[in-house]
Amino acid sequence: EAQVTQNPRYLITVTGKKLTVTCSQNMNHEYMSWYRQDPGLGLRQIYYSMNVEVTDKGDVPEGYKVSRKEKRNFPLILESPSPNQTSLYFCASRAGQAAGELFFGEGSRLTVL
Amino acid sequence: QQQVKQSPQSLIVQKGGISIINCAYENTAFDYFPWYQQFPGKGPALLIAIRPDVSEKKEGRFTISFNKSAKQFSLHIMDSQPGDSATYFCAASAGDSNYQLIWGAGTKLIIKP
Repeated sequence: EAQVTQNPRYLITVTGKKLTVTCSQNMNHEYMSWYRQDPGLGLRQIYYSMNVEVTDKGDVPEGYKVSRKEKRNFPLILESPSPNQTSLYFCASRAGQAAGELFFGEGSRLTVL
Repeated sequence: QQQVKQSPQSLIVQKGGISIINCAYENTAFDYFPWYQQFPGKGPALLIAIRPDVSEKKEGRFTISFNKSAKQFSLHIMDSQPGDSATYFCAASAGDSNYQLIWGAGTKLIIKP
């Protein structure tokens, strides 16, 4: 089954404790992206990757890091989480570099106390 | 100029009625306009998309109407059903920005039985 898998789905952590949200896709997609979703603000892009070893900042990259060492994986790293990073996070992938369908994971709900 | 403005924020429609959600944009370089549907606890999923070379696209009960001169596009859901209750996002992208999607803020649609 074609899918984007995120882990963990739910996480409660404390300020300053480094965490990683993993994302893996099994569709051999070149493009991957991370979004955060907050009430009334829609989906805001954090980082994206057009291909292996190629990453770029989105609209809200502060406080986040990513890496793309393999085509299938695109982890999101919060080096020192803060309460304003409490949000619902989505990973997504797309087949190519042109316009096309984005496939989303089921989301990771993060709470930073 | 990169914004996509979506309205209304929320919408309640009787079963069998027509649901209409509107989006407006400024960037004339946008050339891909998708709509995504998101159910609670799930990631968004592509519903229907349109390119500016056509004024309307229909898939089942879902229709996108596109007005290039007004820089507006809308989603019409005919014969709305309770199963259509979800959050709907419009988006737009352009080739000169690697088709990074610019998202509307979302519309929470409730279909009353």
